Amino acid sequence: EDQVTQSPEALRLQEGESSSLNCSYTVSGLRGLFWYRQDPGKGPEFLFTLYSAGEEKEKERLKATLTKKESFLHITAPKPEDSATYLCAVRAGYSSASKIIFGSGTRLSIRP
Amino acid sequence: EAQVTQNPRYLITVTGKKLTVTCSQNMNHEYMSWYRQDPGLGLRQIYYSMNVEVTDKGDVPEGYKVSRKEKRNFPLILESPSPNQTSLYFCASRHTGYNEQFFGPGTRLTVL
Repeated sequence: EDQVTQSPEALRLQEGESSSLNCSYTVSGLRGLFWYRQDPGKGPEFLFTLYSAGEEKEKERLKATLTKKESFLHITAPKPEDSATYLCAVRAGYSSASKIIFGSGTRLSIRP
Repeated sequence: EAQVTQNPRYLITVTGKKLTVTCSQNMNHEYMSWYRQDPGLGLRQIYYSMNVEVTDKGDVPEGYKVSRKEKRNFPLILESPSPNQTSLYFCASRHTGYNEQFFGPGTRLTVL
C-alpha cells in the first residue's frame, strides 16, 4: 500500500537552530515528491518538487533532498516566520491521473 | 492575480441539509481536485477532474458529489451531510503534466 509518513509530528526550535524534517515513503512508481508549506487558516503553498534520488532543491533557508526511501527538508538558521506546518506528498503511478498522497505534516515552531 | 477561490469559507449546518461548496480558478487549469484535511490524517483526495465533464473518485468519495460543467468551476456537493463530514475542505488545481498544485484558502464545515 502506498504510504507517506512524516516525522516528527511537531518540532520547536530556537531562532537560528538548524534542523531537519523527515518524510519517508513507500510507493510504486514514484513520479515526484513534493513539499508544501501550510500556514494556519490557509491552503498549502507549493515549495519544491523532487524527481530522483540525489536531487536537491533550495529556497532561502530551506533545502530539500531525496533518497530512494525518504526526503529531508533541512532548515538552516530558521526565523520565526518559518513557523508553519510542512507537508510532504508523493505522486504515484504512471497515468496522467496518478494520485497524490499526502503525509500528515510536521508542525514547526520557531521561538524568537 | 492567479488564484483558486472557495465559498463559503465557513459553514455550520445540520444533518441532512444539502449544501454546495463552490470552487473557481482563473489559471485555465485542466485538473481540479477536492481534498479534506483532518487532524492526524493529512489531506485526503475526495474527487478529481481531468477536464470538463471528466470526473473520478479519489480516496474518500462516499457522501460527496462533484460536477465539472465549465473549466474554471468545480463545485463539491453534499446531498445529505452527516457529522463525520465535519472537516476542512480544500480545492486545488494544476495544469495537466505539471506537478505544482495551487490550493484554495479552505472551507471549514461543521455538520451538527
